Amino acid sequence: AQSVSQHNHHVILSEAASLELGCNYSYGGTVNLFWYVQYPGQHLQLLLKYFSGDPLVKGIKGFEAEFIKSKFSFNLRKPSVQWSDTAEYFCAVSRGGSQGNLIFGKGTKLSVKP
Amino acid sequence: EPEVTQTPSHQVTQMGQEVILRCVPISNHLYFYWYRQILGQKVEFLVSFYNNEISEKSEIFDDQFSVERPDGSNFTLKIRSTKLEDSAMYFCASSELGTGGYTFGSGTRLTVV
Repeated sequence: AQSVSQHNHHVILSEAASLELGCNYSYGGTVNLFWYVQYPGQHLQLLLKYFSGDPLVKGIKGFEAEFIKSKFSFNLRKPSVQWSDTAEYFCAVSRGGSQGNLIFGKGTKLSVKP
Repeated sequence: EPEVTQTPSHQVTQMGQEVILRCVPISNHLYFYWYRQILGQKVEFLVSFYNNEISEKSEIFDDQFSVERPDGSNFTLKIRSTKLEDSAMYFCASSELGTGGYTFGSGTRLTVV
């Protein structure tokens, strides 16, 4: 069965620090990959997605992620975080060609200290 | 920006009661989904709906659950006889292309007492 692992439960950073959140998935076939963000009290919002092509994907708010097929990874990065990036971040995977049903990781809570 | 709207935002119900959670997807979207998140756990897929029928459902989506698109705008999730373990945040989502880049609603927090 597909699964998604997010290694960090809670990450605490100071403003301007660089961010990398790990995500690994287990599925041998074609996948579509996503990062969602949930700000406190708000709904899940799509940060970025990968379907095919350039494995380095740029999303909103300065986030990017790199798909490394050999490592089954899709890590999220941001060179300089801001206090407003405080949120929970979810990695998700869907099978390529499926109806888009997502398998989510458990999420990583990011706290940015001003 | 178009939104997926969910009502109510919070519902408290007694065990054994039926609840209906309501969603209004984005108007030109064709694929609809329900997910849930039990407190402290991951977001879990429940069901997807396309062309007026269920296209896929998870093992969580047992006979207690049903979905319906009663008119051209609403998409509902019904739980026939709620259990304590049904307490969770329920998210509706819709997608134009069914490729997973959804728009999520803000969720309905269901508390079963």
